Amino acid sequence: DSGVTQTPKHLITATGQRVTLRCSPRSGDLSVYWYQQSLDQGLQFLIQYYNGEERAKGNILERFSAQQFPDLHSELNLSSLELGDSALYFCASSSQPGGAETQYFGPGTRLLVL
Amino acid sequence: GEDVEQSLFLSVREGDSSVINCTYTDSSSTYLYWYKQEPGAGLQLLTYIFSNMDMKQDQRLTVLLNKKDKHLSLRIADTQTGDSAIYFCAESIIRYSGAGSYQLTFGKGTKLSVIP
Repeated sequence: DSGVTQTPKHLITATGQRVTLRCSPRSGDLSVYWYQQSLDQGLQFLIQYYNGEERAKGNILERFSAQQFPDLHSELNLSSLELGDSALYFCASSSQPGGAETQYFGPGTRLLVL
Repeated sequence: GEDVEQSLFLSVREGDSSVINCTYTDSSSTYLYWYKQEPGAGLQLLTYIFSNMDMKQDQRLTVLLNKKDKHLSLRIADTQTGDSAIYFCAESIIRYSGAGSYQLTFGKGTKLSVIP
């Protein structure tokens, strides 16, 4: 158990819909990262927040957005969903803003868009 | 650009050693990681190595880094059926987007199958 929690575990929705994925980092960690794992693209970095502020952006679509709240939990919002958005979405946390040290991953949310 | 390459499959017999190889392209990598993903589970950090080291041993795991060739390997001694999983190599590279951040770039993973 990494100490990072993600909800829900599974999500099934339809194209065009919007969903919100939630992540709680390890106690004391200020940095939260979101990754997408799909069969064709592999694991890709989406976005990072540190202490409530966006720190870095990766391959995140404009239809996706995220935020980190004062209690440090983070939400990833996916809108206008397409079939290709079906993937496993991971959250990771680390104690430092840089993230060069270890990132601990949550169990993931499996999203299926029908 | 960055790219991390791994072979997709590896099959070994129980009790043998497994060696999973990885190549990366970005010479500015600071840390290199090995993560394990079991079916239906998240990513578990196995071990990592700082880029100025060439070897790290941790119980049954040995990581070798050849910085000149940008080659990383993970050796699992006395491989067990419980080691069957997908193993991801990842490099940590600093990105100067905003305040500066290290980001992980992952390989596509090597599926290790252990034959009893």
